[in-house]
Amino acid sequence: ETGVTQSPTHLIKTRGQQVTLRCSSQSGHNTVSWYQQALGQGPQFIFQYYREEENGRGNFPPRFSGLQFPNYSSELNVNALELDDSALYLCASSPERQGQNTEAFFGQGTRLTVV
Amino acid sequence: AQKVTQAQTEISVVEKEDVTLDCVYETRDTTYYLFWYKQPPSGELVFLIRRNSFDEQNEISGRYSWNFQKSTSSFNFTITASQVVDSAVYFCALSEPYNNAGNMLTFGGGTRLMVKP
Repeated sequence: ETGVTQSPTHLIKTRGQQVTLRCSSQSGHNTVSWYQQALGQGPQFIFQYYREEENGRGNFPPRFSGLQFPNYSSELNVNALELDDSALYLCASSPERQGQNTEAFFGQGTRLTVV
Repeated sequence: AQKVTQAQTEISVVEKEDVTLDCVYETRDTTYYLFWYKQPPSGELVFLIRRNSFDEQNEISGRYSWNFQKSTSSFNFTITASQVVDSAVYFCALSEPYNNAGNMLTFGGGTRLMVKP
């Protein structure tokens, strides 16, 4: 059983550019969540996708958008990059179990640097 | 709104000492879930434990133990006989009630644990 994998592992972009980060969920997991972790802080929830639909969103502007594909892999897109977008972006996948929250399994993250 | 506070930003201990990491949470929900994750330097968050709000039993797993006290909204984590490999950042997290599709976690700021040989 493969875990959650993210690509790329590191990325440098210029302010104003657009970026796409990718995540392959763990086998059998149909829910993917994205988190932003600034240096020295805890992860902040961006949004979650369940069966290809956005199912919840944190306090992030619309220039943060996402997709989930039929195989449950996911993309995070960020437009008009700002310096403050520099962070570790973590993807997590969860299985669906009726009636209870489940643990989220995280990938190793993508380190985005905006210059 | 949900909030998780980890007041200890950094703790340094010598190997074999016991150490407790504090976590205090706020939520208006009567049903919720609490988690602890470990983040080693590699960056990946490693799941340690999940506890639901109706289960106040303390849990022990090897050198790890967790003390959940609903009356004080705390979910503390103790490592007994710490080892150098325990050095990492530890996060406490809170999840809203089951919403048909997994978790949306609210994390604390983390506690950096350094275990010296």
